[in-house]
Amino acid sequence: AQTVTQSQPEMSVQEAETVTLSCTYDTSESNYYLFWYKQPPSRQMILVIRQEAYKQQNATENRFSVNFQKAAKSFSLKISDSQLGDTAMYFCATSGTYKYIFGTGTRLKVLA
Amino acid sequence: SQTIHQWPATLVQPVGSPLSLECTVEGTSNPNLYWYRQAAGRGLQLLFYSVGIGQISSEVPQNLSASRPQDRQFILSSKKLLLSDSGFYLCAWSGDNLKPEAFFGQGTRLTVV
Repeated sequence: AQTVTQSQPEMSVQEAETVTLSCTYDTSESNYYLFWYKQPPSRQMILVIRQEAYKQQNATENRFSVNFQKAAKSFSLKISDSQLGDTAMYFCATSGTYKYIFGTGTRLKVLA
Repeated sequence: SQTIHQWPATLVQPVGSPLSLECTVEGTSNPNLYWYRQAAGRGLQLLFYSVGIGQISSEVPQNLSASRPQDRQFILSSKKLLLSDSGFYLCAWSGDNLKPEAFFGQGTRLTVV
C-alpha cells in the first residue's frame, strides 16, 4: 500500500522569504512519480512540480524546487522568493499503478 | 488540448435523497478516471478509479458508487445520502503519454442537510 505523510498542517512565511514543506511517503511500487499540487482558495488543484523516482536530479520549476531523498523516502518542496499568490494548501502525492495517493496537506500563508 | 468538466459546482441535498455527480473528459481517449473526496481540513481520499468502460475499483467502503458508461464519462452516485457524505468532490483523469500527473476538475461542494 502507498502512504503519504505531511507533518506540517500549517505554515507561514514572510513575502520574499524561503519556505520548505515536508513530505514522506511509502510505496511498494518500483516505478513511481512524486508530485506537489497547490490548491488555492478557488479549490482548483494545480500541479506545481513532479519528480520521477528513478531520476536522482532534483526537479526545479522556477521558484519551486524539491529535495528528493529516495532512500529516506522524503520529498520536500522549497519555495523561494515567496509571493502572496503562493498562499494555498499544498498536497504531496505519489503515483503507482493507476492510483494517486495524497497527503493531508499543508496550509501555507504568505505574509505581507 | 484536454479538458475536464465536472458539475454541478455546488449542491445542497437533503438526507436520504439520491446523488448524481458527473464528470467528462475531452480531447483524449481511454483515460484513467478518479473520484476523490476532500473533507474539511483533510486531504484527498481516493474513492473510486476506473481504467476502462465498466471497470470500477472501489477504495473505501461507503454509501457511494461509481459508474463509467462511456469512455470519457464518470459518474458518482448515491441512492440515499447521509450527513457524512458532505464534502468537496473532485474528479480527475490521467493517461497523457507525456505527463504522468493527474488533472483535476473544478470540484463539487456537496452539503447534505
